[in-house]
Amino acid sequence: DQQVKQNSPSLSVQEGRISILNCDYTNSMFDYFLWYKKYPAEGPTFLISISSIKDKNEDGRFTVFLNKSAKHLSLHIVPSQPGDSAVYFCAASIGQNFVFGPGTRLSVLP
Amino acid sequence: KAGVTQTPRYLIKTRGQQVTLSCSPISGHRSVSWYQQTPGQGLQFLFEYFSETQRNKGNFPGRFSGRQFSNSRSEMNVSTLELGDSALYLCASSLGSIYQETQYFGPGTRLLVL
Repeated sequence: DQQVKQNSPSLSVQEGRISILNCDYTNSMFDYFLWYKKYPAEGPTFLISISSIKDKNEDGRFTVFLNKSAKHLSLHIVPSQPGDSAVYFCAASIGQNFVFGPGTRLSVLP
Repeated sequence: KAGVTQTPRYLIKTRGQQVTLSCSPISGHRSVSWYQQTPGQGLQFLFEYFSETQRNKGNFPGRFSGRQFSNSRSEMNVSTLELGDSALYLCASSLGSIYQETQYFGPGTRLLVL
């Protein structure tokens, strides 16, 4: 039973457009959410996080939105760049227990 | 500052054997966490060590164990290997709490169990 779901295994976006990656979770006790980016043969890189007391957090081209009532999280990348092509994992935590989603592979086309 | 290093990078074992993986955190980082990544299950949290003490543990069987040394280096051990243990094992370090601090991941050790 997956507690954190990323229902789109892959996503293709044109360079310069917006990329929207979605994540759903089932446990309302999760209180902290993170997004990681992973290139092949490398470990994941932390991107951005959000606490459950907020509904939006922005860092440069990356914005994370949290809808607690829908138990839904999304990552927006604007504008998308070819270097953003990677697998994106969302993660949710209760205290220091982390649960990761299966990942979405983003391809940004030039 | 050197990043997180993991050794070995690749490993092939047979069922029933045991394996030890090593992780050296970024200098000054006291927290080391271990994760397993498989195509079917994604990233799964194994456990976290802080100041030589296991602070938290994910839902893995007792065959998976770890320890941390006084210099913050950590080892993960898997005994009685099963085919399903084939995965990429990642370790991550952070200054303090992985809840509040950014984690920095190593490149991983790819384990193949035959």
